[in-house]
Amino acid sequence: QVQLVQSGAEVKKPGSSVKVSCRASGGSFTNYGFSWVRQAPGQGLEWMGGIVALYFTPMYAQNYEGRVTITADESTNTVFMELSSLKFDDTAIYYCAREFDTTSRFFDYWGQGTLVTVSS
Amino acid sequence: DTLMTQSPATLSLSPGDRVTLSCRASQSVGSNLAWYQQRPGQSPRLLISGASTRATGVPARFSGGGSGTEFTLTISSLQSEDFGLYYCQQYVNWPWTFGQGTKVEIK
Repeated sequence: QVQLVQSGAEVKKPGSSVKVSCRASGGSFTNYGFSWVRQAPGQGLEWMGGIVALYFTPMYAQNYEGRVTITADESTNTVFMELSSLKFDDTAIYYCAREFDTTSRFFDYWGQGTLVTVSS
Repeated sequence: DTLMTQSPATLSLSPGDRVTLSCRASQSVGSNLAWYQQRPGQSPRLLISGASTRATGVPARFSGGGSGTEFTLTISSLQSEDFGLYYCQQYVNWPWTFGQGTKVEIK
């Protein structure tokens, strides 16, 4: 079955960058879109951006435009999310999620989440 | 952006209760509405898509309804494993947006 396995927890200093990976297995990679959703402590879910692997064209939420870069590596079925200029309130769990298809962009599979802690 | 508003914020209920959660969109999303469940310490899990279609493996006690701007998720008889957070998400108006969540807790 489809599995999304994310990289491990990170501790970063303010102003630095973090790159989180999400490896997909058990299904086609290029036919699907993958998104990143974050959840700050005790808060709800927020869509950050996504990429359709077939087209390698990312889309970003306006809140993150200029700070987030989402890429995909077809050779390893892996999607990456890099967030730069980290601030204390970027401390959150970051989830990757697979979109059902390119026209119905809800999320049918989720990764286990990666905790990113921004601390001085 | 399409603002998704869920109500109530918290529900305190007992096993066996029937519960209805609400989700309102600030503009029409048609039937492009999904519901997710998030148990403590776990990733979100898809329950419903297309406003009313249960995802694979989701028990029949979960049902979704509505269209346009008003949506509901009903759990016909709460089981112990149903306690947690529930989120709605619209996926027709970019950017995709989630509601702030409804917490279903044990009374």
